[in-house]
Amino acid sequence: EIVLTQSPGTLSLSPGERATLSCRASQSVSNNYLAWYQQKPGQAPRLLIHAASSRATGIPDRFSGSGSGTDFTLTISRLEPEDFAVYYCLQYGSSPFTFGPGTKVDI
Amino acid sequence: EVQLVESGGALVQPGGSLRLSCATSGFTFSTYNMNWVRQAPGKGLEWVSHISSNGNTIYYADSVKGRFTISRDNAKNSLYLEMNSLRAEDTAIYYCARSWTYWGQGTLVTVSS
Repeated sequence: EIVLTQSPGTLSLSPGERATLSCRASQSVSNNYLAWYQQKPGQAPRLLIHAASSRATGIPDRFSGSGSGTDFTLTISRLEPEDFAVYYCLQYGSSPFTFGPGTKVDI
Repeated sequence: EVQLVESGGALVQPGGSLRLSCATSGFTFSTYNMNWVRQAPGKGLEWVSHISSNGNTIYYADSVKGRFTISRDNAKNSLYLEMNSLRAEDTAIYYCARSWTYWGQGTLVTVSS
């Protein structure tokens, strides 16, 4: 099983700042099948990035993903008020599919 | 518009059974892999089960293997999760997801006496 570790656990920033979130895998993610989700309280997760760096439909370009193998990064170039949420990474390259524990981005 | 609507969540006693359904519309259901993902109250996301578009490939998380059964009816555009021998730790919101892109709003399963 691939274990995903996200850091930091909490990121305290202000609107307009840059956010850098890390997701590290215990072994290489097949085909770089790594996704990033945003989740707000009471809502289902929303797909932001798939295949490590491809933005999902309708996602603003301030969200970008990078990385390969075992190290992946989600960057939010300039935080908007609506970006304060919990972010999860997911590896879907090999079963069992696994999520990271999440990074909370708060003010 | 892609829609996924889960149903079937309820309060059930430990050891009990439940069947969740996910009704879909707005896309060609038979061409997509589907997944169930759950989230315990206040916790993170946990993948539960996967089924391929034609139903031939199925995977389960170790935590539910032997107790849960995923299935689909492509004629009815629906996904199912049969849950047996339920435990308190199965308490969660259960989401269905089209591949990994679109998710429903979830249905709450509570296992408690």
